Amino acid sequence: KAGVTQTPRYLIKTRGQQVTLSCSPISGHRSVSWYQQTPGQGLQFLFEYFSETQRNKGNFPGRFSGRQFSNSRSEMNVSTLELGDSALYLCASSRYTGAASNEKLFFGSGTQLSVL
Amino acid sequence: GQQLNQSPQSMFIQEGEDVSMNCTSSSIFNTWLWYKQDPGEGPVLLIALYKAGELTSNGRLTAQFGITRKDSFLNISASIPSDVGIYFCAGRAGDGTYKYIFGTGTRLKVLA
Repeated sequence: KAGVTQTPRYLIKTRGQQVTLSCSPISGHRSVSWYQQTPGQGLQFLFEYFSETQRNKGNFPGRFSGRQFSNSRSEMNVSTLELGDSALYLCASSRYTGAASNEKLFFGSGTQLSVL
Repeated sequence: GQQLNQSPQSMFIQEGEDVSMNCTSSSIFNTWLWYKQDPGEGPVLLIALYKAGELTSNGRLTAQFGITRKDSFLNISASIPSDVGIYFCAGRAGDGTYKYIFGTGTRLKVLA
């Protein structure tokens, strides 16, 4: 069974540009979450999607947005990039059926974004 | 952003030694997860806990869900060089927020 797939693996952008990251969850998983990881701030929750609806959002500016498609694949977009947006962006999926045991998060390898 | 207190921040140990780390929260959680992350990779799930007092093992790893529901512990027995990495805890409240809060991480280095 394939794991969570994130593309691209690495990305270099300049300030002011925008970027779109992609995440394909494990087959059968309906919930997709996004996290930003930096050495100074650790893993910070961005948002979570279930059935194409954003259920929860972290404390990030509106430049960070996302969406989920009917096949559960998700994308996140960052507009007007800033130097501080350089980070490892991680996507995680869970089966989410309402039972606690199906709410474990499984992570992809991440997209390393560098903003110059 | 919100993070859980995880300690120790880092530890150097000799191969064969046992390791203990813990995670504390100011809030009550219904689920605790423990992860290991290697450089440049995503976290890999090690153990999941769902009930206060629960003790669960995965090979040489054992984790416990604290009875106050505000803490969790991870033990690694007889450490080996491949245990090197960063260990994270993650907790989730049962308040319908659908998000996990992560610990600050424990960086483990094993000396052969």
